Amino acid sequence: GAVVSQHPSWVICKSGTSVKIECRSLDFQATTMFWYRQFPKQSLMLMATSNEGSKATYEQGVEKDKFLINHASLTLSTLTVTSAHPEDSSFYICSATKRGDNQPQHFGDGTRLSIL
Amino acid sequence: AQKVTQAQTEISVVEKEDVTLDCVYETRDTTYYLFWYKQPPSGELVFLIRRNSFDEQNEISGRYSWNFQKSTSSFNFTITASQVVDSAVYFCALRPWSSASKIIFGSGTRLSIRP
Repeated sequence: GAVVSQHPSWVICKSGTSVKIECRSLDFQATTMFWYRQFPKQSLMLMATSNEGSKATYEQGVEKDKFLINHASLTLSTLTVTSAHPEDSSFYICSATKRGDNQPQHFGDGTRLSIL
Repeated sequence: AQKVTQAQTEISVVEKEDVTLDCVYETRDTTYYLFWYKQPPSGELVFLIRRNSFDEQNEISGRYSWNFQKSTSSFNFTITASQVVDSAVYFCALRPWSSASKIIFGSGTRLSIRP
């Protein structure tokens, strides 16, 4: 089955650091990738949708200059949390899908980000 | 509005009991997909089922069963003979046809199975 790999699984860093999270589709070409954020005991909230080769579309309330998304190839999207602060601590999950209306989303295992 | 409501925040039952997790959705689309995902403490999302809006047949997979009722906009999930390994957060989700593949998640139900 389709596999999405997310790296790193967890990261702890100091406030002010920028952190990059990678999302890779291992056995299929992902024309669209999605980034979600999940705070403790809450649901997954979509942050942005990224299509290969074009700029990401951000959901309302998500700062695009804070959360930089790059989707330069059909198998890789990256989310960079710039100048991270403790309030950015969260669980970040990506998903990937192929071209087509009926294609399922395949989720990565998530990245637990803790900013000290 | 397009949303998913999981009214049960937490459920706790004793092992071997049956348990039903409720899900009510709203969408203006006539074509849509409904999902259930399991999120164990390790955090990854485990896909359980996808159902499209034109298929109202109930589905059974082992101890899991799903009841899709378009008339009440509900897509409930039942676990029979629950086991401790079923303890997790369960999310119901909606993908309207017009959403460009975006998935809308419910708030989740935390299920605890006591031995």
